[in-house]
Amino acid sequence: EDQVTQSPEALRLQEGESSSLNCSYTVSGLRGLFWYRQDPGKGPEFLFTLYSAGEEKEKERLKATLTKKESFLHITAPKPEDSATYLCAVQPRGSTLGRLYFGRGTQLTVWP
Amino acid sequence: ETGVTQTPRHLVMGMTNKKSLKCEQHLGHNAMYWYKQSAKKPLELMFVYSLEERVENNSVPSRFSPECPNSSHLFLHLHTLQPEDSALYLCASSQDFPEKLFFGSGTQLSVL
Repeated sequence: EDQVTQSPEALRLQEGESSSLNCSYTVSGLRGLFWYRQDPGKGPEFLFTLYSAGEEKEKERLKATLTKKESFLHITAPKPEDSATYLCAVQPRGSTLGRLYFGRGTQLTVWP
Repeated sequence: ETGVTQTPRHLVMGMTNKKSLKCEQHLGHNAMYWYKQSAKKPLELMFVYSLEERVENNSVPSRFSPECPNSSHLFLHLHTLQPEDSALYLCASSQDFPEKLFFGSGTQLSVL
């Protein structure tokens, strides 16, 4: 059973059309929640870490928020270069080094 | 060269072959990881090395054998693989716990 669920699986947006990606998690006790971006043929690239409910992080057109059970990645006025797969991962409290649980990702396509 | 470098980028092998994947990090990090990424499945942690000592072995079959000769290099030795082992194998590094993982571009492995 997945501990991290991302939705939607795929999202197509027109350039400039803002939207949000969702990451819900079921781990008991959260040490950290991470967002990564993955382009085709490449490894994931780190975007954000969130530690506690109510926390927000921003980077260019992206803003990540965290509640007790889910995180949102808001994309404001996206551009075609924002097209990628966005991965969410959680690290449970008390987990051993390196123990991250990833979601399956949301594949975002932004067309001009 | 900077970041995390993986070789080869692509590998096709038969079920009776023996091959090795190589990873090198130029970031001065003290932890290195092997992840497996299969189509439509979440990233799966395979192994974690901290200061050259294996600290995590996520129930990986013995046909996968990791080696970490120093803090900059990580290998994954493969033998008698199965077709279901075909996947993208990603190496990552971090400083201490994985607040920020730096991934290589991966080795796309096909087992025939």
